[in-house]
Amino acid sequence: NAGVTQTPKFRILKIGQSMTLQCTQDMNHNYMYWYRQDPGMGLKLIYYSVGAGITDKGEVPNGYNVSRSTTEDFPLRLELAAPSQTSVYFCASSYSTSSHYGYTFGSGTRLTVV
Amino acid sequence: DQQVKQNSPSLSVQEGRISILNCDYTNSMFDYFLWYKKYPAEGPTFLISISSIKDKNEDGRFTVFLNKSAKHLSLHIVPSQPGDSAVYFCAATSDISNFGNEKLTFGTGTRLTIIP
Repeated sequence: NAGVTQTPKFRILKIGQSMTLQCTQDMNHNYMYWYRQDPGMGLKLIYYSVGAGITDKGEVPNGYNVSRSTTEDFPLRLELAAPSQTSVYFCASSYSTSSHYGYTFGSGTRLTVV
Repeated sequence: DQQVKQNSPSLSVQEGRISILNCDYTNSMFDYFLWYKKYPAEGPTFLISISSIKDKNEDGRFTVFLNKSAKHLSLHIVPSQPGDSAVYFCAATSDISNFGNEKLTFGTGTRLTIIP
């Protein structure tokens, strides 16, 4: 059981380049999220999805796009990379059990835009 | 507008002593709170949670206390161990009855260092 898998782990982009951050989960969770973590700023929600074909903006969506064609995959697209997008990006899916509700996070993608 | 605040960016505690991490929130609609632990180069992992119908939840060395009137929660780790050195995030959400449709709001994190 792999959980939430993110690729790549590290990437350096030049200003204006584009890239896609991949996220896959094998737990059949409907709800998935993209967060970014900046130093001293905690985790900010970029986009989320409540199921295949349904996505919505979070707190900081500008400069990003997402798609959700399957339950498993939730890629995050950066079209024109800017230095302000230098951050660590985390994908997560949500679950609930009899004892608690929470997120399972991927290990993150560290992106540097130069 | 930081709805979940962790005012201490860092905390150092001697091994074996108690670690107390604090978190304040402003949104009175929050009714479910979680603590996540994060090691470098890894994603956050779930540690412990508490519903607003309780004021305390315990799991081994970890206890979370909730003071709804003060909009404050704290995480106690007793005894502290070197492996507890990590960044701890407080998170909150509302409408937990709508399972799966809750977005977590995270605090800025506290870096805990356990001194051997």
